[in-house]
Amino acid sequence: NAGVTQTPKFQVLKTGQSMTLQCAQDMNHEYMSWYRQDPGMGLRLIHYSVGAGITDQGEVPNGYNVSRSTTEDFPLRLLSAAPSQTSVYFCASSPPDRNTEAFFGQGTRLTVV
Amino acid sequence: DAKTTQPTSMDCAEGRAANLPCNHSTISGNEYVYWYRQIHSQGPQYIIHGLKNNETNEMASLIITEDRKSSTLILPHATLRDTAVYYCIVRVGTGGYNKLIFGAGTRLAVHP
Repeated sequence: NAGVTQTPKFQVLKTGQSMTLQCAQDMNHEYMSWYRQDPGMGLRLIHYSVGAGITDQGEVPNGYNVSRSTTEDFPLRLLSAAPSQTSVYFCASSPPDRNTEAFFGQGTRLTVV
Repeated sequence: DAKTTQPTSMDCAEGRAANLPCNHSTISGNEYVYWYRQIHSQGPQYIIHGLKNNETNEMASLIITEDRKSSTLILPHATLRDTAVYYCIVRVGTGGYNKLIFGAGTRLAVHP
């Protein structure tokens, strides 16, 4: 099993550019999430999804869009990148039972100049 | 949502037990305590979780006080590869989606 796969691993964008961070999982997990981590800080939840066609906002959703058309994929879109979005982005998936652990991808390091 | 308090940093000698404390005095009866770690900017890794009873797996042991207001993660024989940031998390939510709320964690340095 590949687990949770994020692409790309690194990306540099210019202010105002758009891009999509990809996240795919092969564990048939219903729940998927996107987090960002700024230097020296813990992770903050951006958006999450409890199943195909269902998404909701986390604590820092502004500037990001998501969609969930399949169980496997949960892309994160930046419509107009800003320097404040420079961060490391992590995708996670988990089964719906509360009593289990989340699996995280290895992250995408994004720099907006 | 229950919040957690952890020391900012700790040191441990290689081969010794590392005991990482966490306070969660506002925890509710149906909330679990989870521990994750993050090694040098990799994705967080699940370690262990518990509700009331002490738990042990191949990575660590989790000791939860009887009143559930605090817990301790124990790495019985720390190695250099255990150097990481350790997050104590109380898993929130009722039914449906359960968010993980990460604080700043404890930075554990294991030295030779």
